[in-house]
Parts: sequence; C-alpha cells; structure tokens
Amino acid sequence: AQTVTQSQPEMSVQEAETVTLSCTYDTSESDYYLFWYKQPPSRQMILVIRQEAYKQQNATENRFSVNFQKAAKSFSLKISDSQLGDAAMYFCAYRREGGATNKLIFGTGTLLAVQP
Amino acid sequence: KAGVTQTPRYLIKTRGQQVTLSCSPISGHRSVSWYQQTPGQGLQFLFEYFSETQRNKGNFPGRFSGRQFSNSRSEMNVSTLELGDSALYLCASRGTGDYGYTFGSGTRLTVV
Repeated sequence: AQTVTQSQPEMSVQEAETVTLSCTYDTSESDYYLFWYKQPPSRQMILVIRQEAYKQQNATENRFSVNFQKAAKSFSLKISDSQLGDAAMYFCAYRREGGATNKLIFGTGTLLAVQP
Repeated sequence: KAGVTQTPRYLIKTRGQQVTLSCSPISGHRSVSWYQQTPGQGLQFLFEYFSETQRNKGNFPGRFSGRQFSNSRSEMNVSTLELGDSALYLCASRGTGDYGYTFGSGTRLTVV
C-alpha cells in the first residue's frame, strides 16, 4: 500500500526567508502524481504545486518549488520569500496514475508558522 | 468560474441521527471525491463518484454512503451517527484530463 510521510509536524520561518518542508512516500508504482496542498484556517485545501512522476524537471509556481527525487521517493517543498499569508497547514499527497483507484493519499501535515 | 461548493458549512447532530452533506463541483467536472479529516486519523478517502457511478470506496462502514446526480452534484449520507463521526468532510472535484483536484471549504460536522 502507498504511504506518505511528513516528518515535520511544525515548522517556523521568518518573513522573507526560505523554508523547506519534507515529504517522503512509498509506492511500487512507476506512474503517479504528487501534490502539495495548503490548508489555512478557512479550511479549504488549496493546491500549491503538483508534479508528474515521469517528469524529471522539478515543478515551480512563483515562490513555490519542489525538489523531486524519484529514486529516493522524496518530494520536498521550498517556499522562498515567505509571506505572512503562507502560514497554514501543508499536506503532501500522492495519487496513483490509472488503475481503478483515483484517491489522494495524504501525509499528516506540517503546520507552518511565519514570524514577522 | 465558481469553485467547489459544500453545504452546509457547519452542522450539529445528535448521536443516532442521520445527516446528508451536499457538494456541487466545478462546472464541467464529473469526478467528485469525499474525504474525512480528523485530528486523530488525518485525511481519509471516503469515496469517489464519476458520472453517477461510485468508482472507489474507502475503508469506512456501511453507514457512510453517497450518490451523484446527473448534474454531477454529489451528496454523502451518514446514518446512525456516532461521536467519532465528528469531523471536517471535504469534497473535491476533478475535470477530465486534469490530474489535480479542487477542494471545497468543507462541512464541519459535530456529533453530540
């Protein structure tokens, strides 16, 4: 069974600094997708960035980028120039490509605090 | 375009009652999934519907059920509520050809 592990329950960063959130996963599949979702106090899960496993190039979205290491099954999120609005719970998620199951498998989350 | 809409936002029910939650996906999205979020168990997959058919179901008891209508709107029902059913229930939709999901703001269910 696939699993997603986030080993940092909480992280803190100074405004304008850079922070990296860690995520590892376990799967025997070769085709899959990885995601980082942000959940602020408003509760809505917001897609931050996504990565297709077959792409070697790391995804970037403005201040957000990932370090995808397929062999190591690692998928970390880097937030540059952190802003107060980045404070939230961040979830790493995995979804298998194809097959009968399209569910997202989530990690336990990392609570990010941004200090002014 | 409008996002995923979940109603109601908050709900308080008594043990033994049943509850129905509603989810309207993004226009054109035919896949709707439901997740339960609790502090203890985290985010867990409940079920997925596509074109009115349940495609996948998570490891939840039969008290949890759902359905999808021809306009892709989905409902989930929980019968004989237990205290442990207190959770945030999130709905997500996905369009054909898109591999990411868009979530709603959830329904916070409290069972007393």
